[in-house]
Amino acid sequence: QLQLQESGPGLVKPSETLSLTCTVSGGSISSSSYFWGWIRQPPGKGLEWIGSIYYSGSTYYNPSLKSRVTISVDTSKNQFSLKLTSVTAADTAVYYCARQGTKITMYGMVTLRLPLPPTDSWGQGTLVTVSS
Amino acid sequence: QSALTQPASVSGSPGQSITISCTGTSSDVGGYNYVSWYQQHPGKAPKLMISDVSNRPSGVSHRFSGSKSGNTASLTISGLQAEDEADYYCSSYTSSDTVVFGGGTKLTVV
Repeated sequence: QLQLQESGPGLVKPSETLSLTCTVSGGSISSSSYFWGWIRQPPGKGLEWIGSIYYSGSTYYNPSLKSRVTISVDTSKNQFSLKLTSVTAADTAVYYCARQGTKITMYGMVTLRLPLPPTDSWGQGTLVTVSS
Repeated sequence: QSALTQPASVSGSPGQSITISCTGTSSDVGGYNYVSWYQQHPGKAPKLMISDVSNRPSGVSHRFSGSKSGNTASLTISGLQAEDEADYYCSSYTSSDTVVFGGGTKLTVV
């Protein structure tokens, strides 16, 4: 059974960088059928997609966060990571990692894999508070 | 990107049916059959209830069904039970090659 587990600091100071890692067990992150994504949820608010990565390293980001977000993958460790720079109190949230579906599309002669909404595999979530 | 539009709250009595709407545009909900629905109980991670507009994953009750008309997707829960009380979110692929969520709907079983 696939399991995802978020890890990282629960407290980050304003203007610093938030760093989280998601460890995937019970399955390979190198599967051609899935993207791997980060989703967050501020206290009492709704879900927000942050971005996704394919095992090859291809990434897609939420335009509203793109300038501050980097998602990377380490296939040897079956992990993927999130970095969010210049954080403020507005970045305080529960951060989830999740497996996402994928679809294939053609742009001219180029084949692209694109991320779809999350599937049935989510981490339990980790609360990150931004405060001095 | 703008969040998909969901009603803030809906309510129903045990045994009744309710429908939650999720309105987007032709660039997301209306343009693709990649709409998913999630159930979230307090303090828990979201659980996938419907994928690809109307596909129900294994283990999800047959009381949950999904559909789409134009730019609006819908989640219907029939035979409401107390355990269905939760927050529900829709999500869609977009033409910008991104994923967007709805604002969420709080379901109360009265």
